[in-house]
Amino acid sequence: KQEVTQIPAALSVPEGENLVLNCSFTDSAIYNLQWFRQDPGKGLTSLLLIQSSQREQTSGRLNASLDKSSGRSTLYIAASQPGDSATYLCAVGYTGGFKTIFGAGTRLFVKA
Amino acid sequence: DTEVTQTPKHLVMGMTNKKSLKCEQHMGHRAMYWYKQKAKKPPELMFVYSYEKLSINESVPSRFSPECPNSSLLNLHLHALQPEDSALYLCASSQGRLAGRGTDTQYFGPGTRLTVL
Repeated sequence: KQEVTQIPAALSVPEGENLVLNCSFTDSAIYNLQWFRQDPGKGLTSLLLIQSSQREQTSGRLNASLDKSSGRSTLYIAASQPGDSATYLCAVGYTGGFKTIFGAGTRLFVKA
Repeated sequence: DTEVTQTPKHLVMGMTNKKSLKCEQHMGHRAMYWYKQKAKKPPELMFVYSYEKLSINESVPSRFSPECPNSSLLNLHLHALQPEDSALYLCASSQGRLAGRGTDTQYFGPGTRLTVL
């Protein structure tokens, strides 16, 4: 069964800290992996997409890595800010059809 | 422009009503998706249209029926829903996998908050 797990479920940090969010998946035959941000009651905002052939992607203070062999991806957020407070979701796209499976998310709270 | 629009923003309906949710994108994308998201849960894929071909999640009940009038529009028709169908319904679009290898970023709309009484 294809499953996506995110750890931790929730995280509270003081402003300025660097932090790492984790995503693991059971089936390594992935097409791509995408990280999203979701604010309460809102839609999803795409942050980074990593193709199955890539190891990492960077955008501003965000860096996402992918290790297919171990079934893991991490999202690194540098110098966290209160505006980063949101739920972060990873979504694994699989080959064969358009199956996309989301993790349950990590709820991040950055304290000013 | 990376915008996906959804209407209405909120919808309240009874179990005997028939209603439709609408989604539109003008990015030239060839794949469009419907997701259902319950409170504090991740989105679950319901339907995908890619190059006008429908793929479905077979666990989705028949009271939900998608329609893709053209490559820019995606509707979700609702009929005889149950209270447990109350959720945030999210639409997304992407270039489509024929466009490249693994570069298929999905862009999401703001969602329709559906309440079934």
